[in-house]
Amino acid sequence: AQKVTQAQTEISVVEKEDVTLDCVYETRDTTYYLFWYKQPPSGELVFLIRRNSFDEQNEISGRYSWNFQKSTSSFNFTITASQVVDSAVYFCALSDPNTDKLIFGTGTRLQVFP
Amino acid sequence: GAGVSQSPRYKVTKRGQDVALRCDPISGHVSLYWYRQALGQGPEFLTYFNYEAQQDKSGLPNDRFSAERPEGSISTLTIQRTEQRDSAMYRCASSSRQGRAGYTFGSGTRLTVV
Repeated sequence: AQKVTQAQTEISVVEKEDVTLDCVYETRDTTYYLFWYKQPPSGELVFLIRRNSFDEQNEISGRYSWNFQKSTSSFNFTITASQVVDSAVYFCALSDPNTDKLIFGTGTRLQVFP
Repeated sequence: GAGVSQSPRYKVTKRGQDVALRCDPISGHVSLYWYRQALGQGPEFLTYFNYEAQQDKSGLPNDRFSAERPEGSISTLTIQRTEQRDSAMYRCASSSRQGRAGYTFGSGTRLTVV
């Protein structure tokens, strides 16, 4: 069965701190995608990144970076020099390669204080 | 349209009433997905369509829930005889082609059953 675990329910940091959000997944599929979505207080789901299971290169986008490690089935997300606007719930998700439906984790609430 | 549009944005209904939630996907998008997100949880898959064909409805919780997409564009999720436990955010997403993971979510419909 497919499963996504985000063990951190809530994280609080002070502005400019670096913060890493953990994501561990389970799947028997050899081909799959991993995602991160941001849900700000306004409620919408904002796509951040999609990673193919065959591509283990880490990715950096501005202050955001992602560390994909197949050996540990993890896809962690780091925000460098956090800002108050980063405050949101962040969801990690895994796709079913046959149907494209997403299996979401329970989310991590990040609060960045000024 | 420019994005995935859902209506109504908010719906309050009395227990026992039927409700219909509408999703207007991005123009030309083949695949359309419905998810439900309870408070404090990640979105959970309900059903999806390719064109007008419902490919998977395994996530629909019971037979009070149904969905259709008769012309392969707009979709309606119907909940009959609503119960309080149906209260949640209902989200729709569309993608250009199955297998092209990373679809766009709409803003959702917040359903409250009183």
